[in-house]
Amino acid sequence: QKEVEQDPGPLSVPEGAIVSLNCTYSNSAFQYFMWYRQYSRKGPELLMYTYSSGNKEDGRFTAQVDKSSKYISLFIRDSQPSDSATYLCAMAREGNEKLTFGTGTRLTIIP
Amino acid sequence: GAVVSQHPSRVICKSGTSVKIECRSLDFQATTMFWYRQFPKQSLMLMATSNEGSKATYEQGVEKDKFLINHASLTLSTLTVTSAHPEDSSFYICSASFRGIDTGELFFGEGSRLTVL
Repeated sequence: QKEVEQDPGPLSVPEGAIVSLNCTYSNSAFQYFMWYRQYSRKGPELLMYTYSSGNKEDGRFTAQVDKSSKYISLFIRDSQPSDSATYLCAMAREGNEKLTFGTGTRLTIIP
Repeated sequence: GAVVSQHPSRVICKSGTSVKIECRSLDFQATTMFWYRQFPKQSLMLMATSNEGSKATYEQGVEKDKFLINHASLTLSTLTVTSAHPEDSSFYICSASFRGIDTGELFFGEGSRLTVL
């Protein structure tokens, strides 16, 4: 079993829709949870960072962490074609900068 | 924001040659950098942790003699793929921490695509 599971997609939604992306994990030691956006042939770009459980909102993006269920989510409101990319969840243990990534979900926003 | 730069962004080489990839933190000092490898449509896999002034720490299954990592200064880490073979063709990405994981400020380079013929 992988430490971090993420549905690879692909996921296609119409412009303006709300997008929900999710990851589950098995290691209860993870305390840091990130979402990265990766455009084709580019490095990952940090979107959201959360420590422990809770919600965090930044513009059109909302990250949720439920440690009791070992489940994290990223919501994108008012999705735009420019949001089309691969979204990777990543996690790390307390005080440890080594990230464990999900496989990434390929998202396409249809104009 | 903090920037991590990689060079070259693309490299094509013949089988048996060695290739060096540089990772620089442009506006901050990074005592630790990380090297990842990404195959098409797959996730990033950590290869090694590069520590300034000391030997790199390799993940299980990564050949340290094949993937030489040097972290000579606080702003530069290099990955050398020695005697490259076609199966080494991949997307290599480095990352560096700006102020530690507690801030979530872990930045990635743009990646280097290696193609071995």
